[in-house]
Amino acid sequence: EAQVTQNPRYLITVTGKKLTVTCSQNMNHEYMSWYRQDPGLGLRQIYYSMNVEVTDKGDVPEGYKVSRKEKRNFPLILESPSPNQTSLYFCASSLSAGGATEAFFGQGTRLTVV
Amino acid sequence: KQEVTQIPAALSVPEGENLVLNCSFTDSAIYNLQWFRQDPGKGLTSLLLIQSSQREQTSGRLNASLDKSSGRSTLYIAASQPGDSATYLCAVRVKAAGNKLTFGGGTRVLVKP
Repeated sequence: EAQVTQNPRYLITVTGKKLTVTCSQNMNHEYMSWYRQDPGLGLRQIYYSMNVEVTDKGDVPEGYKVSRKEKRNFPLILESPSPNQTSLYFCASSLSAGGATEAFFGQGTRLTVV
Repeated sequence: KQEVTQIPAALSVPEGENLVLNCSFTDSAIYNLQWFRQDPGKGLTSLLLIQSSQREQTSGRLNASLDKSSGRSTLYIAASQPGDSATYLCAVRVKAAGNKLTFGGGTRVLVKP
């Protein structure tokens, strides 16, 4: 089954404790991205990757890192999480960045930083 | 900067009534527009994808139109059912750095039995 898989689905952590949210897709997609969703602010892009070893900042990149060492994986790293990073996070992938490309989303990771 | 607006923010209809959801965007330089469904606390499920060169797409009870020149899309859901209750989001793929998806704020729909 074609899908985008995020782990974990739920995470509660303490301020400053490094964490990684994993994202994997099995569709051989080139383009992957991370979004966060907050009440009243909607979905905002954090980082994106056009292909392996090619990543760039989205609209709200502060406090986050990403890497794209393999085509299928695009982990989101919070080096020193803070309470304002409490949010619902989504990973998405599409065959390419433009043109006739549908975006597929993971099931989300609900992160709480206390 | 692309802005996407969805009005109304919430909608309540009796079962069987047709749903009409609106999406407007400010910049017509888009690759495509995609409609999603989101259940509370869950992920986004893709409903329909309309390319910038297309006028509409249909899937079962769902029909989405696109008028790129006026910056509007409409999602029609025929004969609504309680199971259609969810938040519906539209997003445009912009022709700009990163080619990101820009989302509207969503319309929360409640279909009453």
